[in-house]
Amino acid sequence: SHDLTQPPSVSVSPGQTATVTCSGENLGNKYVCWYQQKPGQSPMLVIYQHSERPSGIPERFSGSTSGNTATLTISGTQAVDEADYYCQAWDISTRVFGGGTKLTVL
Amino acid sequence: EVQLVESGGGVVRPGGSLRLSCTTSGFVFGDRGMSWVRQVPGKGLEWVSAINWNGGSRHYADSVRGRFTISRDNARNSLFLEMKSLRAEDTAFYYCAKDALYGGFDYWGQGTPVTVSS
Repeated sequence: SHDLTQPPSVSVSPGQTATVTCSGENLGNKYVCWYQQKPGQSPMLVIYQHSERPSGIPERFSGSTSGNTATLTISGTQAVDEADYYCQAWDISTRVFGGGTKLTVL
Repeated sequence: EVQLVESGGGVVRPGGSLRLSCTTSGFVFGDRGMSWVRQVPGKGLEWVSAINWNGGSRHYADSVRGRFTISRDNARNSLFLEMKSLRAEDTAFYYCAKDALYGGFDYWGQGTPVTVSS
């Protein structure tokens, strides 16, 4: 089981905005991160500290957290963004992941 | 270039033990916390254990606490996971991951497979 809840799947048309949510207790008081994982690859950090992008991550990726919900937004979604996305909440003693969301770009 | 290379995975019988290693390069290993994360093929990520920069603070997921032990050797730039009393549900790919400065894992290894089966 996961303490963080994500929708199993999200579909989006190319060029549109994709939104992936992550629900969990007191997310605003933890560090929330997001990872992208493509088949056969290790996960890649795309958002850290709720809304910061690591170097090399396109500007179309953004994140926000309010209360018990964190959101990953991909603006102008491209076919290359099709992947599994995982949220993660850091606190002093745990690094829990959400169950993952499969993003399909139709 | 940052590199993390896991080793030590394999097939083990239920109740058995295994020791995973993660050899790193390309960054100051002793400056960063590290974690182990596992993933059953086709399933989601599960955080397993974390250790701070000097090994003085260690944390475990409920599913492995009391059976797994995380450790590190900063002189050898290496991270370890000692796994005992292994169960079928411990079967997964095991990744080591490096803490980023402000949260998140900014580098991951390619993983090593662990299969617990009789």
